[in-house]
Amino acid sequence: DAGITQSPRYKITETGRQVTLMCHQTWSHSYMFWYRQDLGHGLRLIYYSAAADITDKGEVPDGYVVSRSKTENFPLTLESATRSQTSVYFCASSDLTPEAFFGQGTRLTVV
Amino acid sequence: QKEVEQDPGPLSVPEGAIVSLNCTYSNSAFQYFMWYRQYSRKGPELLMYTYSSGNKEDGRFTAQVDKSSKYISLFIRDSQPSDSATYLCAMRINFGNEKLTFGTGTRLTIIP
Repeated sequence: DAGITQSPRYKITETGRQVTLMCHQTWSHSYMFWYRQDLGHGLRLIYYSAAADITDKGEVPDGYVVSRSKTENFPLTLESATRSQTSVYFCASSDLTPEAFFGQGTRLTVV
Repeated sequence: QKEVEQDPGPLSVPEGAIVSLNCTYSNSAFQYFMWYRQYSRKGPELLMYTYSSGNKEDGRFTAQVDKSSKYISLFIRDSQPSDSATYLCAMRINFGNEKLTFGTGTRLTIIP
């Protein structure tokens, strides 16, 4: 299917566990982003990537790791999950246009 | 202070009313101004974007940007129940700097 897909859609994990959220886009967009969305904070940028093997920190990168070995994939890893990382995570992509295309989101609960 | 401020609402208006949504910002380098619409449990989708100051109209939606006041608005005319969603303003400095900075979003409900 064309577009941007995130998996899993829902995840419950325990404090201290490592969790990886997947993001895949079929457009070959250069830019990919990870945001988290929390009540009262809106969408906050965690990490972004301008191309394969190029990543940079956003506003709230602590506790997260990203990689981008292929243009179409941009996984986000929580190295040791904490309750404060309970959130809805959105992946997005864009390619030098005003529009960023968002995935459906991953709802993560850390217990 | 956040770079982009947006009243989170919630805002409830009767069907057919004119809706006004607003954001203020502090970074004068922003040049691209966008409005995203997000339905419940979905990802945001671009509704409109404007470059620099001015107005842009698309059907029932009008976006306004006043860079001198660092203030942007989205107007919805003849509001419909299907317009019920969260509206997020977003801003970008320029092409080549693709990062979007979002407001917190305003939750809007149109009452039939």
